[in-house]
Amino acid sequence: GQQLNQSPQSMFIQEGEDVSMNCTSSSIFNTWLWYKQEPGEGPVLLIALYKAGELTSNGRLTAQFGITRKDSFLNISASIPSDVGIYFCAGQLLNNAGNMLTFGGGTRLMVKP
Amino acid sequence: DTGVSQNPRHKITKRGQNVTFRCDPISEHNRLYWYRQTLGQGPEFLTYFQNEAQLEKSRLLSDRFSAERPKGSFSTLEIQRTEQGDSAMYLCASSLTSMNTEAFFGQGTRLTVV
Repeated sequence: GQQLNQSPQSMFIQEGEDVSMNCTSSSIFNTWLWYKQEPGEGPVLLIALYKAGELTSNGRLTAQFGITRKDSFLNISASIPSDVGIYFCAGQLLNNAGNMLTFGGGTRLMVKP
Repeated sequence: DTGVSQNPRHKITKRGQNVTFRCDPISEHNRLYWYRQTLGQGPEFLTYFQNEAQLEKSRLLSDRFSAERPKGSFSTLEIQRTEQGDSAMYLCASSLTSMNTEAFFGQGTRLTVV
């Protein structure tokens, strides 16, 4: 099935470092969402973006909705061990067909204490 | 707990058997979605309901798969004659109908077909 291009696929960083990951698409989306998933669990919503150019923060997380509506990035500042997990971007096209999500392949984040 | 609830959390079944999973969405959410996630991949859309009506089905949803939401509340996903390729995490999500509402996911059901 269609997926967004998410990079990097994995990152192994030192605690305290900043992290940046991004997502690109050949299609336009109305909404971008970022989720975090831990082993054996479902994705947990971190940030939702609704307008092109929008920059939104949630604690140490900052995400932006690209001006072309075809990309988004997520930054994590001052990483801590509990940031470990897989981060997924998801694009949503708001239409009558149900607003289903198209996901990226995920960025696996590992943090070394 | 007012989140999306799925059960069972894990299911191991023999090839050829039928399995059924249940999802209880957040109570005021009228949209319910099923996604499938294989190892190392992001979730992929299977189907969605608005209230009790199933309005969209992905090409991933073969004729061995059927989903219901009889009263517009909980939903079930049944897989008949399971195959090893059906092994995956099956995720349920729910949301409100209005614009700019996020989908919230359950913890998923991990299916292993042996």
